Amino acid sequence: EAGVTQFPSHSVIEKGQTVTLRCDPISGHDNLYWYRRVMGKEIKFLLHFVKESKQDESGMPNNRFLAERTGGTYSTLKVQPAELEDSGVYFCASSQEVRETQYFGPGTRLLVL
Amino acid sequence: QKEVEQDPGPLSVPEGAIVSLNCTYSNSAFQYFMWYRQYSRKGPELLMYTYSSGNKEDGRFTAQVDKSSKYISLFIRDSQPSDSATYLCAMSATLGSARQLTFGSGTQLTVLP
Repeated sequence: EAGVTQFPSHSVIEKGQTVTLRCDPISGHDNLYWYRRVMGKEIKFLLHFVKESKQDESGMPNNRFLAERTGGTYSTLKVQPAELEDSGVYFCASSQEVRETQYFGPGTRLLVL
Repeated sequence: QKEVEQDPGPLSVPEGAIVSLNCTYSNSAFQYFMWYRQYSRKGPELLMYTYSSGNKEDGRFTAQVDKSSKYISLFIRDSQPSDSATYLCAMSATLGSARQLTFGSGTQLTVLP
């Protein structure tokens, strides 16, 4: 069974540009989560999808971040425009049921210059 | 004050040693407790998952939860060089149909051969 995959693995962009991160959850997992870890800090929750619906987006830092999950399969997280403080590692996780284990992807390392 | 505090390390031990990793938390709503292991450039991988106070054992790993003291621990027996990684505690409360994880900052462990 394939795990959670994320693309790209690394992204280097300039301040003000747009970046789109993609997450493919484990097949059949309705729950999809985005987290991020900025330099020197702990991993922080961003949002949670159940199928294509946003269940909890309380961790989204501001309106420069837009997450979508069309069709309840893969998800994208767009940052527009990117700021220096957005640099960090963005993780995606998925679970079959909300109370079950969250399986994490390898992360996308974002550097905003 | 952070909701979850984790001993920062780094921790360096000889092969075969018993390792103790700890976290404290302040939110009494947390009911689910997890330990994740993260190798460099990889995503967090679930090691242990507990719900109630007490001990849970899985091979060389034992997770301990003391809800009255808001304290959790992970013990690694007969540590191996392959155990060298960052260990993250994580916890969550039941929030309707959502379950965001709150992480500690991680303890970097090195097991020396």
